[in-house]
Amino acid sequence: DGGITQSPKYLFRKEGQNVTLSCEQNLNHDAMYWYRQDPGQGLRLIYYSQIVNDFQKGDIAEGYSVSREKKESFPLTVTSAQKNPTAFYLCASRIGGTNEKLFFGSGTQLSVL
Amino acid sequence: KQEVTQIPAALSVPEGENLVLNCSFTDSAIYNLQWFRQDPGKGLTSLLLIQSSQREQTSGRLNASLDKSSGRSTLYIAASQPGDSATYLCAVPDSNYQLIWGAGTKLIIKP
Repeated sequence: DGGITQSPKYLFRKEGQNVTLSCEQNLNHDAMYWYRQDPGQGLRLIYYSQIVNDFQKGDIAEGYSVSREKKESFPLTVTSAQKNPTAFYLCASRIGGTNEKLFFGSGTQLSVL
Repeated sequence: KQEVTQIPAALSVPEGENLVLNCSFTDSAIYNLQWFRQDPGKGLTSLLLIQSSQREQTSGRLNASLDKSSGRSTLYIAASQPGDSATYLCAVPDSNYQLIWGAGTKLIIKP
């Protein structure tokens, strides 16, 4: 089945630690996105990539980093510089432009120990 | 700057009722508007995408309308069922083609 796989489902971070969230898609989509979701708020864009080896900052990129070495993969690293990382992280992809539907993974809940 | 608002934040109705969820946006120059569903602790599922040239889109018991001039969209759910319980979010692209999201309406259908 085609889809987007996020792992792990739950992740705990110790203070000062970097952690990496995985996002893999087998939909052959060009564009991939990382969103952060906090209770009672809309999704906020962290980073996005429209093509391999290229990515752009979203509205809240500080304290995060990404890479796009393969079309299928778009991992997100939450660095120690992100002081409030507890949130639900969602990865998404779509085949092309803004008039295409967006497909989501099942999310990763990150909490701080 | 585009802002998207969904009111109410939560809604509880008895099973079988028809209901309407609201989404408003401040900048009417949109390319499209999308409605999504999110189950607790899960990712989002796209329900309907309305192009700027369209007035409505239908999928099964769901009907989404778009009125750009008034900056509003509605999601109509007919004959609601307990399985419709979820959070419903709407989103519109900004000038950089990135989605701006509402905070969602949490819908509870009581059996």
